[in-house]
Amino acid sequence: AQRVTQPEKLLSVFKGAPVELKCNYSYSGSPELFWYVQYSRQRLQLLLRHISRESIKGFTADLNKGETSFHLKKPFAQEEDSAMYYCALQGGSEKLVFGKGTKLTVNP
Amino acid sequence: SQTIHQWPATLVQPVGSPLSLECTVEGTSNPNLYWYRQAAGRGLQLLFYSVGIGQISSEVPQNLSASRPQDRQFILSSKKLLLSDSGFYLCAWSPGGPNEQYFGPGTRLTVT
Repeated sequence: AQRVTQPEKLLSVFKGAPVELKCNYSYSGSPELFWYVQYSRQRLQLLLRHISRESIKGFTADLNKGETSFHLKKPFAQEEDSAMYYCALQGGSEKLVFGKGTKLTVNP
Repeated sequence: SQTIHQWPATLVQPVGSPLSLECTVEGTSNPNLYWYRQAAGRGLQLLFYSVGIGQISSEVPQNLSASRPQDRQFILSSKKLLLSDSGFYLCAWSPGGPNEQYFGPGTRLTVT
């Protein structure tokens, strides 16, 4: 079975502090992994995907197959990073499995 | 460019009434289409998805059904709403394969 676990419902940091949003997955094959973000009053949108290996808005995420993790990191959080973040897995089918999300609050 | 629309934006319906939520996509052909329910603390739950006209896969047994009468139209329905059907419903499309899904603005459904 495919499963995505985001252990933190809420995460609060101060501006300029590093932030890490955790994501662990369960899938026996080679997964496609994504981070989606939903800012206040905006649509859910893709933030980044592991296959592209790029940094978006200062965020990076590395796929660790040994630990089955895809944690999202940013060295210096900004207030505009406050949002709901979802980790998602696509494994061998046309559907995405989402985690329950982490609400990130960056305090001034 | 591609766009995705959902309507209505908000809906208040009494228990036992029927439901029809519509999602349409513009600017692409033969998209994969998805219906999700988003609930606080429970993330996004995939309800239905479709890889082509008339092809519907149901993920969760429930009081809802989906149809795809046209290539770029996806409809979520119910014959009799339950209180537990209240929630925020999102439609999404993708070009297929391991690609990004693009989400609509959502419909807030309140069943009273």
